[in-house]
Amino acid sequence: EPEVTQTPSHQVTQMGQEVILRCVPISNHLYFYWYRQILGQKVEFLVSFYNNEISEKSEIFDDQFSVERPDGSNFTLKIRSTKLEDSAMYFCASVGRSEAFFGQGTRLTVV
Amino acid sequence: GENVGLHLPTLSVQEGDNSIINCAYSNSASDYFIWYKQESGKGPQFIIDIRSNMDKRQGQRVTVLLNKTVKHLSLQIAATQPGDSAVYFCAEKKNFGNEKLTFGTGTRLTIIP
Repeated sequence: EPEVTQTPSHQVTQMGQEVILRCVPISNHLYFYWYRQILGQKVEFLVSFYNNEISEKSEIFDDQFSVERPDGSNFTLKIRSTKLEDSAMYFCASVGRSEAFFGQGTRLTVV
Repeated sequence: GENVGLHLPTLSVQEGDNSIINCAYSNSASDYFIWYKQESGKGPQFIIDIRSNMDKRQGQRVTVLLNKTVKHLSLQIAATQPGDSAVYFCAEKKNFGNEKLTFGTGTRLTIIP
């Protein structure tokens, strides 16, 4: 069964450092998303991406965040200068027709 | 604003019994609803979905009920098993296509052996 893969599974970084979270969506999917989940809370939408550009973003997705699909397969989320409150699980999802398939997530810990 | 939320944060059910998890939403424009299961340390896993032109849909051991009049969604799991223990989220979006999902707050289901 096709799946969305994310790396790394766990990232620890110092406050103020840049991090890049990586995702390999399902190969024939065209719509990609990043969501985050702070421990014990609900899953929150960050950004959607289609045709090599952002199609929608939430108020969480400020200037510190960026996404790109550099090589046609990987889909990355960059946080330029991490803050303590960025600590969360980050999930990548891809959509074919309607159902969103989620990756296993990257646990980001900012210290 | 939009709100998709769950009535109960935790639910414990004896193994073999049926469970019902409820969800309320406030966006009457929502057209498509999904239940996800999230096991510890994993991403949300699709369970079952329903479109707004239906009021009931059945899968394997799961049934989703939609009541658009009162904006209520429920997930019924029959003959629960230990592997059903997880957090369950309802999610909604405005159409069947590629819009973003808005998730509820989740219910932790614990199956008691």
